[in-house]
Amino acid sequence: DIQMTQSPSSLSASVGDRITITCRTSQSISSYLNWYQQKPGKAPKFLIFSASSLQSGVPSRFSGGGSGTDFTLTITSLQPEDFATYYCQQSYSAPWTFGQGTKVEI
Amino acid sequence: QVQLQESGPGLVKPSETLSLTCTVSGGSINYYYWNWIRQPPGKGLEWIGSIYDSGTTNYNPSLKSRVTMSLDTSKKEFSLKMSSVTAADTAVYYCVRQGDGLPAAPRGSWFDPWGQGTLVTVSS
Repeated sequence: DIQMTQSPSSLSASVGDRITITCRTSQSISSYLNWYQQKPGKAPKFLIFSASSLQSGVPSRFSGGGSGTDFTLTITSLQPEDFATYYCQQSYSAPWTFGQGTKVEI
Repeated sequence: QVQLQESGPGLVKPSETLSLTCTVSGGSINYYYWNWIRQPPGKGLEWIGSIYDSGTTNYNPSLKSRVTMSLDTSKKEFSLKMSSVTAADTAVYYCVRQGDGLPAAPRGSWFDPWGQGTLVTVSS
């Protein structure tokens, strides 16, 4: 199985801040990396595929980068609705695995 | 717009079998992988398995011995059965679509959309 490690596990930020979340994989996965946002009591929402491509409707303040084993999710100018938990997920090989999540708090 | 809805018992006794069904509305079953993903309370996401429109299944090795998935294309439903459950199987269970609707392997695909999730508690 491909292991996923996100950092940090949680972070505190303010509206307007720029934040970056890191996801590291246990082996190279090219750019087969997706990102999801989850709010309390809700199902995850798909944000980014292929490491850097935004899903339709996702605000441009979200961006993804990286390849191989190191990936980032950046949110510029954090908005109140962005406070949530973010998960990375590898789409390189089954079993599909997720990072442990990064909780973005006010 | 495709919507997924989970249904099934919210309480299962230890050692018994958990059974859930997901109903797909507003879209086609064809050329997609249909998945179950779970999330224990306060924890992260775990992929359980998938079934393709052909009926081909792929299970997480960590759960493979206890999991069976099936698909009824005429009803646009797919199901999960997990045997010999314990308290560790208590989780919100999500049904999720994977793929872009084109005949292709799942590499590079993503999970979208998700059902709202259903909490299954294993307790006597």
